[in-house]
Amino acid sequence: DAGVIQSPRHEVTEMGQEVTLRCKPISGHNSLFWYRQTMMRGLELLIYFNNNVPIDDSGMPEDRFSAKMPNASFSTLKIQPSEPRDSAVYFCASRTSGGKYEQYFGPGTRLTVT
Amino acid sequence: AQSVTQLDSQVPVFEEAPVELRCNYSSSVSVYLFWYVQYPNQGLQLLLKYLSGSTLVKGINGFEAEFNKSQTSFHLRKPSVHISDTAEYFCAVSGAGSYQLTFGKGTKLSVIP
Repeated sequence: DAGVIQSPRHEVTEMGQEVTLRCKPISGHNSLFWYRQTMMRGLELLIYFNNNVPIDDSGMPEDRFSAKMPNASFSTLKIQPSEPRDSAVYFCASRTSGGKYEQYFGPGTRLTVT
Repeated sequence: AQSVTQLDSQVPVFEEAPVELRCNYSSSVSVYLFWYVQYPNQGLQLLLKYLSGSTLVKGINGFEAEFNKSQTSFHLRKPSVHISDTAEYFCAVSGAGSYQLTFGKGTKLSVIP
C-alpha cells in the first residue's frame, strides 16, 4: 500500500493568499484526520471525518480554515486568507473503524506564510 | 478527557546504551496507548500499541513498552540504541472506543556516537 499521500510537501505563500492542502487516505480506511504541528502547541487535531462526513471540527482555529472530503479517497484543507501564524506542518492521517485504533500518518505539508 | 505527559523533552544517550522514555497519562475511562516515532521531515510512524492483554508490548526496531495501570504510565524502552534511533518520540492515548488521539509534547532522543 502507498500509505497516506499528501501534497504539496512544501508550500510557501504570501499572507492573504489562499492555500489548499490535499490528502489521499489509505484505501479502505473510512476515518480521516487533519492535524497541525507547531513547536509551541505540538500536535493538534483540526478536524475528523468518518465515512466522508465531518464529525468533529472543534479544532479548526477559525473561519479561515475549511475542510472537505468529497469522496473516500480525497480530502482538502483550505486556508483563506492565510496568515503568518498559520505556518506549521499539516498532517493527514487515516484509519479503519473496525477494531484497529491506530492512525496512519502522511508525510505532512510544511506551510510557510510570509 | 485524556491527557498525556512526557516528562523529558530531550534525552541524550550514547550509542549501544539502554534508554527509557517516560510517559504518564490521565483518563477517567479505559485507555488505548500508543508510541509513535517521527524522523526529521517525516510523518509519524507507529512503534507499538497497547489495547488489552499483556502489559508488555513489543514494537518495531527493538522497542518495547510496559503498561502500568496503577501508575498510569506507559514507558518506552530499548536495551541498546543505535544512531538511527535519533528521532522524536510521541506518546498518545485514546479513550477505549474513541476516535480521538491525544498526543504528548514529544521527547527528542539524540543518540551520541
